[in-house]
Amino acid sequence: DAKTTQPNSMESNEEEPVHLPCNHSTISGTDYIHWYRQLPSQGPEYVIHGLTSNVNNRMASLAIAEDRKSSTLILHRATLRDAAVYYCILRGGATSGTYKYIFGTGTRLKVLA
Amino acid sequence: EPEVTQTPSHQVTQMGQEVILRCVPISNHLYFYWYRQILGQKVEFLVSFYNNEISEKSEIFDDQFSVERPDGSNFTLKIRSTKLEDSAMYFCGRRLAGGNEQFFGPGTRLTVL
Repeated sequence: DAKTTQPNSMESNEEEPVHLPCNHSTISGTDYIHWYRQLPSQGPEYVIHGLTSNVNNRMASLAIAEDRKSSTLILHRATLRDAAVYYCILRGGATSGTYKYIFGTGTRLKVLA
Repeated sequence: EPEVTQTPSHQVTQMGQEVILRCVPISNHLYFYWYRQILGQKVEFLVSFYNNEISEKSEIFDDQFSVERPDGSNFTLKIRSTKLEDSAMYFCGRRLAGGNEQFFGPGTRLTVL
């Protein structure tokens, strides 16, 4: 299973942008990059995913390096509600036959009021 | 985002007893997953299920575990003879046919005494 590396923790001030990095140097050509977050005492929550191009949705943006060996999740304006553990996960494409997620330890984001 | 519900929210059992955890289905969700998270540790994949068959399982998912979805009803995880180390949060995940992301439930907290 392809491995990702994330900082253990980060802090941000409320209303400021947050850039959460993820390294995945062993990514294969068909692996999707998924981001989930887990708020305290809740199940993982989907944030965003991408393959090669940068992606935007209502929650966040995903910037993917040209060589795909790293990516960055961008929260444009952090709120207190965004305090959570953020997971960067590689998931095989349809041809891999697997859709399981292998969670790492993630990045614990603390948002300061 | 489709709501995923799980029952019960909290289950307390004695060691050696059988427990059944349930995930309430939503139409169009064909792919089901179980994950667990021991307190303070990573989210771990247990099993994936499609078309009434296990499609993938981890080494954690041994003979003590079983899954089924009888007659299109709730998707269940059974632990036949619980051990103390089975105490954890158990999350059900579901995915639409053709979809990329998994939607997770709020989890069932299993406490084995």
